[in-house]
Amino acid sequence: KNQVEQSPQSLIILEGKNCTLQCNYTVSPFSNLRWYKQDTGRGPVSLTIMTFSENTKSNGRYTATLDADTKQSSLHITASQLSDSASYICVVSARGTYKYIFGTGTRLKVLA
Amino acid sequence: GAGVSQSPSNKVTEKGKDVELRCDPISGHTALYWYRQSLGQGLEFLIYFQGNSAPDKSGLPSDRFSAERTGGSVSTLTIQRTQQEDSAVYLCASSLAGTSGGAYEQYFGPGTRLTVT
Repeated sequence: KNQVEQSPQSLIILEGKNCTLQCNYTVSPFSNLRWYKQDTGRGPVSLTIMTFSENTKSNGRYTATLDADTKQSSLHITASQLSDSASYICVVSARGTYKYIFGTGTRLKVLA
Repeated sequence: GAGVSQSPSNKVTEKGKDVELRCDPISGHTALYWYRQSLGQGLEFLIYFQGNSAPDKSGLPSDRFSAERTGGSVSTLTIQRTQQEDSAVYLCASSLAGTSGGAYEQYFGPGTRLTVT
């Protein structure tokens, strides 16, 4: 069964600190992996997308990594800001389908 | 340009009533998805429209749920005889095309928060 699991479920850090969120998936055959940021009361917004051949992708202070062999991805946030407080969702697409498999997300809270 | 819009943003209804949720996709996007997001759960696929093709309704949880997309643009999700377990955020997303492997970016609306009392 195609699944996407994220950890931790929630995380609290102080402003200025770094953090890393994890995503493990069993989706096959793999096509691409996206990380989304979802602010409270808003729809998810894409941060990064990686295909099989890419193992790192950056978007400002956000850096995603992908290990297609172990089926693991991480999202590293550098020098966190209060505005980073949100849910971060890992989404995987399989080749041959238009459907997306969503993780349950990591809820991040950045404190001043 | 304008993003995906949804209305209403919040809806409180009594158990047993019918509700209609509306989604206006980005102009020119042929693919449209409806998802349900319950507290602590990942987004659950409900239905997918692609151009003039027959929709994929495989994610609809019961026959109380239905959706249509008129003229390839606006979509309406209808829930009949609402139950308390229908309470959730309903998200709509559109993309340029629903090609194999999710090649195109999905753009999400802000969602409709449905509360069934």
